[in-house]
Amino acid sequence: DTGVSQDPRHKITKRGQNVTFRCDPISEHNRLYWYRQTLGQGPEFLTYFQNEAQLEKSRLLSDRFSAERPKGSFSTLEIQRTEQGDSAMYLCASTGHGKQETQYFGPGTRLLVL
Amino acid sequence: AQSVAQPEDQVNVAEGNPLTVKCTYSVSGNPYLFWYVQYPNRGLQFLLKYITGDNLVKGSYGFEAEFNKSQTSFHLKKPSALVSDSALYFCAVRDSGMNRDDKIIFGKGTRLHILP
Repeated sequence: DTGVSQDPRHKITKRGQNVTFRCDPISEHNRLYWYRQTLGQGPEFLTYFQNEAQLEKSRLLSDRFSAERPKGSFSTLEIQRTEQGDSAMYLCASTGHGKQETQYFGPGTRLLVL
Repeated sequence: AQSVAQPEDQVNVAEGNPLTVKCTYSVSGNPYLFWYVQYPNRGLQFLLKYITGDNLVKGSYGFEAEFNKSQTSFHLKKPSALVSDSALYFCAVRDSGMNRDDKIIFGKGTRLHILP
């Protein structure tokens, strides 16, 4: 257990529905990252926050995706109007300030869109 | 932009033999390099990282990695493989420069099979 938690661990939804995932980082970490991992691939960067500020978003993050970290602690990732191509593992990671810091990952949320 | 290549999709090693999982990288500045391991249906677990200093980095579970700047490589090694080392291994790179780019870029992963 790295100290990063994600909820839910699994989500099955029908195409067109909205889903929301939650990530609770290690408490003293001010940076929080979201990644998407599909089968046979490495994690792909989606977005990251420093405290409550969203500093960068990948082009992978279409306008159906939105992420928030309202109080600089936990974060949510929402996918609206889900598509089958959204099926993946969504990973959250947190780290302290500084590029030399290690990212610690949560267990992930596996999404299946039917 | 930074990138990572893991040239082998799968590596098979007999238990007790030494193992190597290859990784090469590309960054504009100096790299910070990481290795992670992933077990089925789990998140990524940190193994080790290179920031600066000694080119040979020691990490968890007896793993080590050697940073080679001239070859832009950061291969993962272990002197004697265990069956429990069987998993998916990811190499990752981050640009150490004083720019806003704070992404970590991951390779596609190498599946390690340790044969009993």
